[in-house]
Amino acid sequence: ETGVTQSPTHLIKTRGQQVTLRCSSQSGHNTVSWYQQALGQGPQFIFQYYREEENGRGNFPPRFSGLQFPNYSSELNVNALELDDSALYLCASSLVRQGRDTQYFGPGTRLTVL
Amino acid sequence: AQSVTQLDSHVSVSEGTPVLLRCNYSSSYSPSLFWYVQHPNKGLQLLLKYTSAATLVKGINGFEAEFKKSETSFHLTKPSAHMSDAAEYFCAVTDSWGKLQFGAGTQVVVTP
Repeated sequence: ETGVTQSPTHLIKTRGQQVTLRCSSQSGHNTVSWYQQALGQGPQFIFQYYREEENGRGNFPPRFSGLQFPNYSSELNVNALELDDSALYLCASSLVRQGRDTQYFGPGTRLTVL
Repeated sequence: AQSVTQLDSHVSVSEGTPVLLRCNYSSSYSPSLFWYVQHPNKGLQLLLKYTSAATLVKGINGFEAEFKKSETSFHLTKPSAHMSDAAEYFCAVTDSWGKLQFGAGTQVVVTP
């Protein structure tokens, strides 16, 4: 176990709704990254938060947004859900914001959009 | 820009035989490279990483990988497969501030 927790485990929403996913980072880690993993694919980078500010974004539309709190936990918000948003959403935390630093992943939230 | 190509989408091995998972990378700077494993309905677990130290990297559960700059490869091996090694394996490369770029994954099946 990595110490990174995510909630909820599973979620079912309908198209057009909004969803919030939560992540608690490993103790002492100040950087949180979010990834989307569609079925049968590798994870795709959504964005990264470092000390409460967005620090880089992948190829995702603005309806994907996030927050990082003073305790370094984080939220991922998705507005106007589309069917293609169905995926496993993974959160990863790291001690520092460096490429060589290991990112520790949580178990993920499985989102199904109907 | 960084990218990763996993050369095999599916590998089937017999228990007790060697495992080889192939990964080629492209990076515009000195890369950090990672192998992660994902068991069904689970998150990603780090197997090992390369960060410009020794080119032969040892990881958990008997896995190791060799960084070959001339071949831009980072292949993962294990001398003897165990049934518990059945999972999906992802090779990944990072940029300077930690954006992980993953390959498409290799599904490993272990037969008795």
